[in-house]
Amino acid sequence: AQSVAQPEDQVNVAEGNPLTVKCTYSVSGNPYLFWYVQYPNRGLQFLLKYITGDNLVKGSYGFEAEFNKSQTSFHLKKPSAIVSDSALYFCAVRAYNDYKLSFGAGTTVTVRA
Amino acid sequence: DSGVTQTPKHLITATGQRVTLRCSPRSGDLSVYWYQQSLDQGLQFLIQYYNGEERAKGNILERFSAQQFPDLHSELNLSSLELGDSALYFCASSPEDGFFGYTFGSGTRLTVV
Repeated sequence: AQSVAQPEDQVNVAEGNPLTVKCTYSVSGNPYLFWYVQYPNRGLQFLLKYITGDNLVKGSYGFEAEFNKSQTSFHLKKPSAIVSDSALYFCAVRAYNDYKLSFGAGTTVTVRA
Repeated sequence: DSGVTQTPKHLITATGQRVTLRCSPRSGDLSVYWYQQSLDQGLQFLIQYYNGEERAKGNILERFSAQQFPDLHSELNLSSLELGDSALYFCASSPEDGFFGYTFGSGTRLTVV
């Protein structure tokens, strides 16, 4: 079985400060990892993915994530947060031989001006 | 606009009733996935169809059923509705098996009263 843990329900940062949203995963074999963002009353929007290759993945809107196999983590980062980054962020994982994505519970990010 | 269309956007119905949610996948996508998002359960995978055939099943209740039609649109049928079925229902699509992630629709908000 595959699962994702997002240990923080909420993350609060000041605008201009670095933003980190944590994610750890459990899956058999090599993981395929994803980050999605959800704004109020909207669907989930794809931010970035890790399939293979470089452990540092760059995505949309200045976000990046680092895959760490030994720690089974895939933390989302942004060097300088802006107010419009305030949203609900989901980490997701799938196994190479599974068709479904399993999502974490989500982390609400609030960036204050 | 993600290219995945869900209708209706909002639905209010009474307990015991039956509703149908509709999803049109992004052009060229063969796979359709249904997810339920509720406050207490998070994002739960319900079912996946690929080119008209059921491919994977998640935590879908027996009162719920789905199908994918020859034109690739999909319908999720929810029957004998209970208050606890109130949730956001998302449809997502992908070209084949979702190897590179999904594209989500904006969801149908179902309220059972």
